[in-house]
Amino acid sequence: GAGVSQSPSNKVTEKGKDVELRCDPISGHTALYWYRQRLGQGLEFLIYFQGNSAPDKSGLPSDRFSAERTGESVSTLTIQRTQQEDSAVYLCASSRGASGSYEQYFGPGTRLTVT
Amino acid sequence: GQSLEQPSEVTAVEGAIVQINCTYQTSGFYGLSWYQQHDGGAPTFLSYNGLDGLEETGRFSSFLSRSDSYGYLLLQELQMKDSASYFCVTQAAGNKLTFGGGTRVLVKP
Repeated sequence: GAGVSQSPSNKVTEKGKDVELRCDPISGHTALYWYRQRLGQGLEFLIYFQGNSAPDKSGLPSDRFSAERTGESVSTLTIQRTQQEDSAVYLCASSRGASGSYEQYFGPGTRLTVT
Repeated sequence: GQSLEQPSEVTAVEGAIVQINCTYQTSGFYGLSWYQQHDGGAPTFLSYNGLDGLEETGRFSSFLSRSDSYGYLLLQELQMKDSASYFCVTQAAGNKLTFGGGTRVLVKP
């Protein structure tokens, strides 16, 4: 079946503009995660959605970052008033979300460049 | 809070064995996973340890000791294609996953 997809694959934007990144998880996966990965660095947790529970937003770096998820499907990550330090690859992952489900399936990522 | 430590880089030759250690401090710890990421690619799942002991999957094995808050990934019969970054990941209550900083493995001929 289809894996996790993300769009756009690349985004170049000017400092101060807003951007919206999209993630389509694997059908039936109730858990969805967003991560940020700067060049040569590890994955930085941003936000986690699990079913209808309140999302875990503890990783969002500032109030310029927000994310939404429609039911158990598409999620969008929005960055307002982008800054150069926001340049990174933004990765989305989904998992079954059931107790004991630990394997995450990652999308190809969106490479964001803020000029 | 959550914190993980793993070496930043390891270099080895083809055919060798490499062990990547991971120590963690995780509240509500459930288990430890390992992911592989090639340059420019997305992370892919390698293994999971929910109980103490060794899990073997082909050339790769992973170990966990809960009492020591320690685990490792063992790569055997190294191949050039194993050159990648390897991340240890803790799973905690609420399915919260935390990634370590990654270990870059460079395999030389």
